[in-house]
Amino acid sequence: AQTVTQSQPEMSVQEAETVTLSCTYDTSESDYYLFWYKQPPSRQMILVIRQEAYKQQNATENRFSVNFQKAAKSFSLKISDSQLGDAAMYFCAYRLDNTDKLIFGTGTRLQVFP
Amino acid sequence: GAVVSQHPSRVICKSGTSVKIECRSLDFQATTMFWYRQFPKQSLMLMATSNEGSKATYEQGVEKDKFLINHASLTLSTLTVTSAHPEDSSFYICSARKGAGFSSDTQYFGPGTRLTVL
Repeated sequence: AQTVTQSQPEMSVQEAETVTLSCTYDTSESDYYLFWYKQPPSRQMILVIRQEAYKQQNATENRFSVNFQKAAKSFSLKISDSQLGDAAMYFCAYRLDNTDKLIFGTGTRLQVFP
Repeated sequence: GAVVSQHPSRVICKSGTSVKIECRSLDFQATTMFWYRQFPKQSLMLMATSNEGSKATYEQGVEKDKFLINHASLTLSTLTVTSAHPEDSSFYICSARKGAGFSSDTQYFGPGTRLTVL
């Protein structure tokens, strides 16, 4: 069975600094997708970034980038130039290709200090 | 855009009553919607997958007679918690898939519904 592990329950970062959130997953499949979702205090889940496993190039979205290491089954999220609005719960998620089911990690609470 | 709404945002009910939660895709058609449950300080757990015009597919351990799902149109899915009990108190989140196939899939989430059963 596929599992997603986020080993950092909480992280903090100073405004304008960079922070990296860790995520590892376990799967025997080769075709899948990985996601980072943000859940702010409003509880609205927002897609931050998505990575297709067949792509070697790491996905980037403005200040957000990932370090995807397929062999190591690692998918970390780097937030550059952190802003106060980045404070939220961040969930890593996995989805096997040709399926609908998203499997979420337990989340990392990110605090951003001014 | 891809906006998903949920109604109500918060509901309190007495034990033994039924509660209906609506999930709507506002600016796109969603053949597939999903219902998740999130306990405090925990992750989202998929409860069921709802396909328009057909029966929902429930995850293992989820009682289909307790959590009734109806997906009668391409923009609306409803979750009814029947004979609610305090242990059903939770945060219920829906999402809708935008895209015709899995590879183009992105799930867009609603803002969630906080259910409290007294």
